[in-house]
Amino acid sequence: RKEVEQDPGPFNVPEGATVAFNCTYSNSASQSFFWYRQDCRKEPKLLMSVYSSGNEDGRFTAQLNRASQYISLLIRDSKLSDSATYLCVVNEGNAGNMLTFGGGTRLMVKP
Amino acid sequence: NAGVTQTPKFQVLKTGQSMTLQCAQDMNHNSMYWYRQDPGMGLRLIYYSASEGTTDKGEVPNGYNVSRLNKREFSLRLESAAPSQTSVYFCASSEGPTRVTGELFFGEGSRLTVL
Repeated sequence: RKEVEQDPGPFNVPEGATVAFNCTYSNSASQSFFWYRQDCRKEPKLLMSVYSSGNEDGRFTAQLNRASQYISLLIRDSKLSDSATYLCVVNEGNAGNMLTFGGGTRLMVKP
Repeated sequence: NAGVTQTPKFQVLKTGQSMTLQCAQDMNHNSMYWYRQDPGMGLRLIYYSASEGTTDKGEVPNGYNVSRLNKREFSLRLESAAPSQTSVYFCASSEGPTRVTGELFFGEGSRLTVL
């Protein structure tokens, strides 16, 4: 069983739509959570952190539900440039300071 | 800004051949990492170096060795390549503990094919 699971998609949405991705994690001791964005054939880049109280950055909102062990990413007013793979990332608080990546959810925004 | 630089970007090997992937960062980061990315598997940590002079195994270390040559450079070696090591390899660095900022800075990746 994967420690961080995501629906691989693809999610095909029209421009202007609102789309949400969920990610579940198995380790209840996980301490911190992040979303990364990866464009096709490029390296991943940090999109945003996910705080317990939820956080918003422009059109992007991230939320954490510790009780159910999932995090979510909501994208409002989708743009063509939002087309990418979104990676859910968890730091499990181990001594090795390692981040565990989900397999990613692919988003395709159509005109 | 160069950030994290990996070489080579592409490599084709025959089974049993050896090679070294080079990585250098110019951000004065303490920690460096090697990941591999396979379709549907996400990025999996091979080895990491929390600071100069230390290296530790990650999730999938078998078949690999690493060297933290100095603070800037962290190399990954395949001693006897196998087809199962066909993948995209990413080097990354972080300033400090990723549990705090979660920010890894990645190189552009090295695409390795083992025939």
